[in-house]
Amino acid sequence: GAGVSQSPSNKVTEKGKDVELRCDPISGHTALYWYRQSLGQGLEFLIYFQGNSAPDKSGLPSDRFSAERTGGSVSTLTIQRTQQEDSAVYLCASSLMGSGANVLTFGAGSRLTVL
Amino acid sequence: DQQVKQNSPSLSVQEGRISILNCDYTNSMFDYFLWYKKYPAEGPTFLISISSIKDKNEDGRFTVFLNKSAKHLSLHIVPSQPGDSAVYFCAARGGGSQGNLIFGKGTKLSVKP
Repeated sequence: GAGVSQSPSNKVTEKGKDVELRCDPISGHTALYWYRQSLGQGLEFLIYFQGNSAPDKSGLPSDRFSAERTGGSVSTLTIQRTQQEDSAVYLCASSLMGSGANVLTFGAGSRLTVL
Repeated sequence: DQQVKQNSPSLSVQEGRISILNCDYTNSMFDYFLWYKKYPAEGPTFLISISSIKDKNEDGRFTVFLNKSAKHLSLHIVPSQPGDSAVYFCAARGGGSQGNLIFGKGTKLSVKP
């Protein structure tokens, strides 16, 4: 597609439920990233996929968070047993990794509210 | 411990004047710095970048200055326009094979007509 597509745009769930957030990156982009922005905070790095390499999971806040990227394209971020502090906007980005600044193109985000 | 810091949460500027947004960093291994702009309910959009080997990069009304010795960069917008009102994020790239960006907390710019 022309841009990074994320779904759902809004998700309200009850504490303890599992949620899945989807990201469809720009076609041909080899790198995919997940960030989140909590209220009043900056963008917090979660996880990064680059080609066939093992993902960089160093930003995942707990083992309740996981992500996968199938076929080098679509990615799903899964949060198990959601907690209220998981409420945030989850942003996906993709890039054509290479030399240079590595400009990330972001989607509009998935707003998660945990009640 | 924050590696990229934007110490001013907000900035208000009159239309037509210069806006200066500041950013400090701690890691001397960063090789690129980027500025993103974010409107409410939208994802951040790329604005301008600078390599760590440069000290200035200009693109239209936007100029980024890098002072490596001070580990400081700034974004200048001149002249400022009401449509520039947004949250501006400073970001740094770790270098080498590390592709992810580390972001500051952002500065909310308001340009008043």
